[in-house]
Formats: sequence, C-alpha cells, structure tokens
Amino acid sequence: QKEVEQDPGPLSVPEGAIVSLNCTYSNSAFQYFMWYRQYSRKGPELLMYTYSSGNKEDGRFTAQVDKSSKYISLFIRDSQPSDSATYLCAMSARAGGTSYGKLTFGQGTILTVHP
Amino acid sequence: DGGITQSPKYLFRKEGQNVTLSCEQNLNHDAMYWYRQDPGQGLRLIYYSQIVNDFQKGDIAEGYSVSREKKESFPLTVTSAQKNPTAFYLCASSIMGTGWGEAFFGQGTRLTVV
Repeated sequence: QKEVEQDPGPLSVPEGAIVSLNCTYSNSAFQYFMWYRQYSRKGPELLMYTYSSGNKEDGRFTAQVDKSSKYISLFIRDSQPSDSATYLCAMSARAGGTSYGKLTFGQGTILTVHP
Repeated sequence: DGGITQSPKYLFRKEGQNVTLSCEQNLNHDAMYWYRQDPGQGLRLIYYSQIVNDFQKGDIAEGYSVSREKKESFPLTVTSAQKNPTAFYLCASSIMGTGWGEAFFGQGTRLTVV
C-alpha cells in the first residue's frame, strides 16, 4: 500500500464548477501538507501549504486537513479553463520523524475545465 | 532572480551510457531532492539531501547516484544499471527546520534512451 493515495482521474468539469480533489494517507507522522499544480511539461508549483489540521483559504482555493481521518482536500471554486492541470498532494513528517525532510507525493489528479 | 535551474531541458542517451543531470539553486535552501515522473505514476523520490556531503536513498534509488559537494548543487547521474531511464526528472529544494514544507521545483529534464 502506498503511503499517499490520490485518485488519478481524469476529472472533467464545466467552467464555474466547484472542484474537489482528495488524498488519503497512512503515515500518522505526516504533519506538513501541500498541494502542487503542474502544467504539462513543466515543474510543479506550490498552491497551498498547511501545517497540521484545519482549513486554509487563498482566493478561489481552500485546503482542508483532517488528521483524524488521514484525509486532505483541495477545493477550487469558480473553476476556470486556466485551472486545467495536474494537481499533486504532498506530505512530510514533523522534525525528528523518520520521514522528516522527505516529501511524499500522491499520483496526481488530471483536471480539465472546459468552457 | 532566485530559483532552481535544471539542465539540459532535453537529453538523449544511448543504451549503456551514463549521463549526468544538473541541478543548481540560489535560494540558500538546505534540502534538495530528485524525483522521477512517469505518466500515471506521480512523483517518485530517487535521492534527497538535507546537508552538504550527506544524502539518502529515496524509494527508487537503484541505478542512480548523486553527490552534494556544494549547498547549491545536487547533480544526478543515471547509470547504465538503470534499466528504464526514459522519464521526466525533477529537482527540488526546500528549507529545513521550523516552518519547513515548501519545496520549489525546477522545470525538469526529459531523458530519452535512443
């Protein structure tokens, strides 16, 4: 079983829809949670970064972390065609943990927003 | 401008050859990483380094080697022992310590075996 599981999709939605992307994980030491966006043939860029449980909002993007369920989500409101990309979740452990300093990624979800 | 530079952008390798991918950062980050990306597989960790002259194997280190002689540089060598090297290779860096988490990526090197 992989440490981080992410549904690869693909996911296709109409412009303006609310998009929900999710990851589950098995390592209880994970404490840093990130979402990256990757356009085709480019390096990933950081979208959201959260520490421990809770919600974080940045414009049209909201990241949620539920450590009790080992589940994280990224919501995109009013989705735009420019949001079409691969979305990757990533996690790492707290300092002192065996996985500290190591980023573990999900498979990535391919999202297409059509006009 | 600060960032991570990977070179070359495209690389072709003959079977049996070793090739080295370059990664340089001017962000003063402590940690550097190499990932391999294949279609439908996400990013898989090859090697990572938290400090100069030290590095650890990731999940798929076989057939690869690295060095970390300078804080700014973390080159990856794809050896002839790597049986399926055709892939997109990504280098990243991040700070360590309190507040760590944000990794910055280079634009990648696409390696093709011919």
